[in-house]
Amino acid sequence: AAGVIQSPRHLIKEKRETATLKCYPIPRHDTVYWYQQGPGQDPQFLISFYEKMQSDKGSIPDRFSAQQFSDYHSELNMSSLELGDSALYFCASSSQSVGGLSWETQYFGPGTRLLVL
Amino acid sequence: AQSVTQPDIHITVSEGASLELRCNYSYGATPYLFWYVQSPGQGLQLLLKYFSGDTLVQGIKGFEAEFKRSQSSFNLRKPSVHWSDAAEYFCAFRMYSGGGADGLTFGKGTHLIIQP
Repeated sequence: AAGVIQSPRHLIKEKRETATLKCYPIPRHDTVYWYQQGPGQDPQFLISFYEKMQSDKGSIPDRFSAQQFSDYHSELNMSSLELGDSALYFCASSSQSVGGLSWETQYFGPGTRLLVL
Repeated sequence: AQSVTQPDIHITVSEGASLELRCNYSYGATPYLFWYVQSPGQGLQLLLKYFSGDTLVQGIKGFEAEFKRSQSSFNLRKPSVHWSDAAEYFCAFRMYSGGGADGLTFGKGTHLIIQP
């Protein structure tokens, strides 16, 4: 079965640079979520989108922004990168149009590992 | 505030022995509860979920979990572990909202070590 695709899988940036992470949800999924997992930490929810509109917001820094496009893929834009931004960034997707409670289940991608030097 | 707690940071189990990982939540109503597993450097794989109904839920890889409202718990169990079960296990929670794309709140995780 098709899964969530994230690109790139690994990214190395310098401090104060910018980075863009991409997420392609499972086909027919209309909702995308972004999470950040620091080393040895639990995943922290950043932001979510449904039908291209921001739906929920977590602990996303003001330096970060995200959007969802008409084909449902999403991009997380990170500016003025700091050393503390080094983490594994997960995207997850779900469907709110299938019906029943399947929309409550988030399926995670493999993550993008970002290293800020 | 709503939260989920995994009291055990590390658990060591012998291969073939039974396993129980603890998860407690704090929420005024029935939450949506999940267990995910993460192998080193990998993504999060959904093991099972509880929304309502039967309080004993079956998942993949032989795992099951039981929702106990009286104890605010959702413990994960497996009758006989395999060396391949060694991983990080996360309990996750979200509030019932009747819709919307609310983010999950994760516990701190339990690191499972399997002894030969």
